[in-house]
Amino acid sequence: DTGVSQNPRHKITKRGQNVTFRCDPISEHNRLYWYRQTLGQGPEFLTYFQNEAQLEKSRLLSDRFSAERPKGSFSTLEIQRTEQGDSAMYLCASSSRDLHQETQYFGPGTRLLVL
Amino acid sequence: TQLLEQSPQFLSIQEGENLTVYCNSSSVFSSLQWYRQEPGEGPVLLVTVVTGGEVKKLKRLTFQFGDARKDSSLHITAAQPGDTGLYLCAGVNAGGTSYGKLTFGQGTILTVHP
Repeated sequence: DTGVSQNPRHKITKRGQNVTFRCDPISEHNRLYWYRQTLGQGPEFLTYFQNEAQLEKSRLLSDRFSAERPKGSFSTLEIQRTEQGDSAMYLCASSSRDLHQETQYFGPGTRLLVL
Repeated sequence: TQLLEQSPQFLSIQEGENLTVYCNSSSVFSSLQWYRQEPGEGPVLLVTVVTGGEVKKLKRLTFQFGDARKDSSLHITAAQPGDTGLYLCAGVNAGGTSYGKLTFGQGTILTVHP
């Protein structure tokens, strides 16, 4: 399978705990995006990387959130001191730019539930 | 702030009926994309429209991009239960450090009953 993979697929944690999610993009893609999606809503942009450089962060990404892509391949998203409002699906996407446009391929997501 | 408004938010129809989903933007994007998402999975790209007035067809799905490139529609003919899912429109940014960033509408949940 050469698609985008995310681990874990599901995470249940208690409020105040730290959690870390991993995203493995399609191997030749140099752009990697993180989105957050709450139930019944569209995904919201969080941050994105070009290779190992983090180029943009949404204001949704509070100080408790940090994302890394140390070698320009896989990426991690960490949430510190989780809150119940952090419960959501966290989606990762990677992209390559073809002749005319950029196509993002999404992973299956990590569903987080904060109790 | 760029916003995309989708309507309707929910759509419940019988197999064989036609339907249209609308996506309206407060600003112009470089292109607009439509995705379909099933429960527990990530969105899957259906189509990208780039040129104002563009019409693209994908089997029973017809996508239109408005002349001003601020609105789009998805029309499904003779809907089938397999069309059930969340349909999302997304505007694509083309400029600067936001290049490629997607701004999604809130989605339309479609249920097609056999």
